Amino acid sequence: SQTIHQWPATLVQPVGSPLSLECTVEGTSNPNLYWYRQAAGRGLQLLFYSVGIGQISSEVPQNLSASRPQDRQFILSSKKLLLSDSGFYLCAWSVGGSETQYFGPGTRLLVL
Amino acid sequence: GENVEQHPSTLSVQEGDSAVIKCTYSDSASNYFPWYKQELGKRPQLIIDIRSNVGEKKDQRIAVTLNKTAKHFSLHITETQPEDSAVYFCAASKRSNDYKLSFGAGTTVTVRA
Repeated sequence: SQTIHQWPATLVQPVGSPLSLECTVEGTSNPNLYWYRQAAGRGLQLLFYSVGIGQISSEVPQNLSASRPQDRQFILSSKKLLLSDSGFYLCAWSVGGSETQYFGPGTRLLVL
Repeated sequence: GENVEQHPSTLSVQEGDSAVIKCTYSDSASNYFPWYKQELGKRPQLIIDIRSNVGEKKDQRIAVTLNKTAKHFSLHITETQPEDSAVYFCAASKRSNDYKLSFGAGTTVTVRA
């Protein structure tokens, strides 16, 4: 069966510091991968998605970036965090050719 | 792009009563409509989904209906229980190589004991 991992689970970072969040999927190959952000008490905002290694599409211009160095690895990065980057970051995956997305456990980021 | 609107934003029901959440979408090409349940501090979990070739789908106490002509779909929860308290999100997507989901803003459901 497929599983999705995210780490770290929680993170407290100062403004201006770098960020690296990792997401990995097991039990499937060539998945579509997605990064979402959820501000406290709000909805799900799609940040990036990837349909294959090295293929990244951005939905919202911002100081974040994403990379997919391996088939089942998706990384979210920032060179300098802003206060507004605080939130719950969720990685999701879907089997190539399927619409159904499944979410990882998320990383809760607090920027101070 | 696709725009999904969800109503109501909050819903309080007495235990045992039914809850209904409605969503509308703008892109007539959308053909897949999932519903997610998110408990406090947890990840969204897929609870039911429907495709445009079906008008209704039921899974125990949960049902979803789709009206393609009017471009709206609804989630129905019958015999609500306290564990149904959560935030519910609807979403829509269309067939493409990325299968991006457009989400509604969410409905906070509270079941009163």
